[in-house]
Amino acid sequence: AQSVTQLDSQVPVFEEAPVELRCNYSSSVSVYLFWYVQYPNQGLQLLLKYLSGSTLVKGINGFEAEFNKSQTSFHLRKPSVHISDTAEYFCAVSLNSGYSTLTFGKGTMLLVSP
Amino acid sequence: DTAVSQTPKYLVTQMGNDKSIKCEQNLGHDTMYWYKQDSKKFLKIMFSYNNKELIINETVPNRFSPKSPDKAHLNLHINSLELGDSAVYFCASSRADYLPGELFFGEGSRLTVL
Repeated sequence: AQSVTQLDSQVPVFEEAPVELRCNYSSSVSVYLFWYVQYPNQGLQLLLKYLSGSTLVKGINGFEAEFNKSQTSFHLRKPSVHISDTAEYFCAVSLNSGYSTLTFGKGTMLLVSP
Repeated sequence: DTAVSQTPKYLVTQMGNDKSIKCEQNLGHDTMYWYKQDSKKFLKIMFSYNNKELIINETVPNRFSPKSPDKAHLNLHINSLELGDSAVYFCASSRADYLPGELFFGEGSRLTVL
């Protein structure tokens, strides 16, 4: 079975600073990788996904993530954050063969302050 | 137009009661899901339906019974509610059940059991 580890439960940053949210996964087979964002009192929204091809994936709102197979990581980055980026961010993994649902990490709360 | 809508958004009830949460999607998707998010924000798949057929049934007490009258609706009925059932329940839908695409989430239904 696959699993996802998000090492930081909370990441505080100042506005306009860069940020990296870390995600590591474990799986014995190839996977697809996702980042979702949850704004307060809302459902989850897809930020970006890696299925195949280029390991650098660009998503919405200026976020990007890099798939590193040797390190089994899929860290999320943004060069300059805004107050409005304050939200919970979830890394998720799915097997890329057969039927598979998403397995989520425990989430990282990004807190952006002025 | 809301793509995935859930009702009610908030539900407060006593232990032992029976309650239902309804979900509807207008995206034309074939697959629908129920996820449970606990107080620590951890998201766990409960059920998945494809074209009204149950595909995934994780280790969920049989007090929880999903029902899909058609592929646009997936309801969740919970019998004999317990304190531990307090959580936010998210409905989601996706386009395919064999290739993980983007999941579209509802805004969640916050269940509080007293």
